[in-house]
Amino acid sequence: KAGVTQTPRYLIKTRGQQVTLSCSPISGHRSVSWYQQTPGQGLQFLFEYFSETQRNKGNFPGRFSGRQFSNSRSEMNVSTLELGDSALYLCASSLESGGANVLTFGAGSRLTVL
Amino acid sequence: GDSVTQMEGPVTLSEEAFLTINCTYTATGYPSLFWYVQYPGEGLQLLLKATKADDKGSNKGFEATYRKETTSFHLEKGSVQVSDSAVYFCAPQASGGYQKVTFGIGTKLQVIP
Repeated sequence: KAGVTQTPRYLIKTRGQQVTLSCSPISGHRSVSWYQQTPGQGLQFLFEYFSETQRNKGNFPGRFSGRQFSNSRSEMNVSTLELGDSALYLCASSLESGGANVLTFGAGSRLTVL
Repeated sequence: GDSVTQMEGPVTLSEEAFLTINCTYTATGYPSLFWYVQYPGEGLQLLLKATKADDKGSNKGFEATYRKETTSFHLEKGSVQVSDSAVYFCAPQASGGYQKVTFGIGTKLQVIP
């Protein structure tokens, strides 16, 4: 059973650019959530998608957006990049949403903004 | 909102030492409780979970008990190994039809031979 796949694994951008990250969940998983991980802030919730609908959103500016496709694959986009956006972006999928559902994480996309 | 408090570390232990990582949380309702582990260069993976009061989750020699009265879910292992070196995250997950796991800052554990 294939795990959660995130692409690209590493990328370098400059301030003002935009970036799109992709996440392919485990087959059959309908929920995809995104997290930003930084050394100072730990893991912070960005948003969750379930059956192509954004169900929940964290406290991030509107520059951060996402979507989910009918095959449950998800993308997140960050526009007008800032230095502080440098982080590891983790995607996690689960069968259903909330409660006792276990999150399965991808290896992450490490974004460096110069 | 929901929150988690866990020791930041780093925690440095010798091989075969006893490990405790404290975790307390605030959450609305009756959350499920998880410990996730992140090995270097990898994403997080589930270590153990508990879904109701007094449940004990266990895996790979690690244990944690859901203590509703103290809102705690402390992680313990009797004898750590070098391969246990990783970052450990305590994570309550709210009940209800949406996903918003609250992660602690993570505790870095380093086990030395």
